[in-house]
Amino acid sequence: QVQLQESGPGLVTPSETLSLTCTVSGGSIRSQYWNWIRQTPGKGLEWIGYISYSGTSNYNPSLKSRVSISLDSTKNQFSLKVTSVTAADTAVYFCARLAYYAGSGSSSFDFWGQGTLVTVSS
Amino acid sequence: DIQMTQSPSSLSASVGDRVSITCRASQNINNYLNWYHQKAGKAPKLLIYAASSLQAGVPSRFSGSGSGTDFTLTISSLQPEDFATYYCQQSFSSPRTFGQGTKLEIK
Repeated sequence: QVQLQESGPGLVTPSETLSLTCTVSGGSIRSQYWNWIRQTPGKGLEWIGYISYSGTSNYNPSLKSRVSISLDSTKNQFSLKVTSVTAADTAVYFCARLAYYAGSGSSSFDFWGQGTLVTVSS
Repeated sequence: DIQMTQSPSSLSASVGDRVSITCRASQNINNYLNWYHQKAGKAPKLLIYAASSLQAGVPSRFSGSGSGTDFTLTISSLQPEDFATYYCQQSFSSPRTFGQGTKLEIK
């Protein structure tokens, strides 16, 4: 059973960089796609982006200028950075695996971390 | 971006009831539609993928149907552990987007 666990600071100062890490256990990070998703009461669930072992990445255009996702296969981890944060970036951040289903092209977020609350405040 | 609209936004029902939640996409997404539920303080959990395929380990009282722009999640006989918020999500195109959620409450 694949398990994911987010870690990182729970409080970030406005204009600074938010950094989170997701550690994957029970499976290899060398397959599928590894995602960050955030949730706020106002905007609901918002997909941030993903990275694959091969280095393929894809970001939500609404955040693309401020976001980067990287992967460290030696540690079975992937990480998120969001620059120039504001109060609007306050959210629960989830990491999740995106699995593709062979032959169909369909995909879904099949494993999730428990989520971590990040508050942007001075 | 593809907009996903769920109805109703909230729903009250009793244990044993049959309930349905609908999700409408702003454009054709074929069957690239997933359903999740989420309990307070927890991560969303995948229930149905590709519109009608039951995720491993999910009880058979959950079923999904639809294609194109209109989709339905049905719970055949509500159990106490089913009271949660339900979300649809499209995987047809990037950025992947979610519905706003349907809160299922105990009557």
